[in-house]
Amino acid sequence: GENVGLHLPTLSVQEGDNSIINCAYSNSASDYFIWYKQESGKGPQFIIDIRSNMDKRQGQRVTVLLNKTVKHLSLQIAATQPGDSAVYFCAEKDDYKLSFGAGTTVTVRA
Amino acid sequence: NAGVTQTPKFQVLKTGQSMTLQCAQDMNHNSMYWYRQDPGMGLRLIYYSASEGTTDKGEVPNGYNVSRLNKREFSLRLESAAPSQTSVYFCASKTHDKTGELFFGEGSRLTVL
Repeated sequence: GENVGLHLPTLSVQEGDNSIINCAYSNSASDYFIWYKQESGKGPQFIIDIRSNMDKRQGQRVTVLLNKTVKHLSLQIAATQPGDSAVYFCAEKDDYKLSFGAGTTVTVRA
Repeated sequence: NAGVTQTPKFQVLKTGQSMTLQCAQDMNHNSMYWYRQDPGMGLRLIYYSASEGTTDKGEVPNGYNVSRLNKREFSLRLESAAPSQTSVYFCASKTHDKTGELFFGEGSRLTVL
C-alpha cells in the first residue's frame, strides 16, 4: 500500500500496512510544512509539522520527510488503522499565510 | 473549551443576497483565517488576519469582505452572493508562534441558488 514519488488523489491501503502520502510544494520561502487530517463532515485537524531547516520529524505512528531540493513533502503512517481513513492535506506556511494542497483520500481496507 | 465556533452551520441564499459568516475563538489566538473548500480543490485561503486590527487578502478574496471585530472574532461577508460562492467555509485560528498549527471550526455549508 505504498505510494512514492507522485501525488495521487486517492490511496487504498490494507489495514496494518504502512502508508506514504506525497505532496509537492511551490514556495521556497515557506518556513513550516504541515500535515492535516480531515474526517468526513469535520474541519481539518493538525497532525504534525516540520520546520524548513529539518528533513525528518517523527510523531506517534507518523513521520514527515522534507526534501527541499525537489520541493517534496511526505507523510508516512505506520501500521495503518481503520481510523486513519480520511483526507490528508499538506500545507506550507510563509509568514502568516498558510496554503493547502489538493488533498489525498486514504481508504483503509480491512 | 469550545475552540473555534462558526455560525451558521448551514445557509441557503438566493443570488444577490448578502450574508455574514461569524467566527469566534476562545483560545486567545492572535491570527485568524477564512478558507473555502470545494470538491477536488482542497482549501483555498480567502482572507486572513495576522493580528487584531489587520487583515490581508489570500488566494481568492474577490466577492468577500472581512472584519476582525476584536481578538476573538473574525467575520466573513458576502455582499452579493453568486452561485460560484457555493462552498464549505472554514474559519481557523493559530497562536502567535511560528509553527503551522491551525485550529479549525466545524465549517459552514453555504448554497447559493
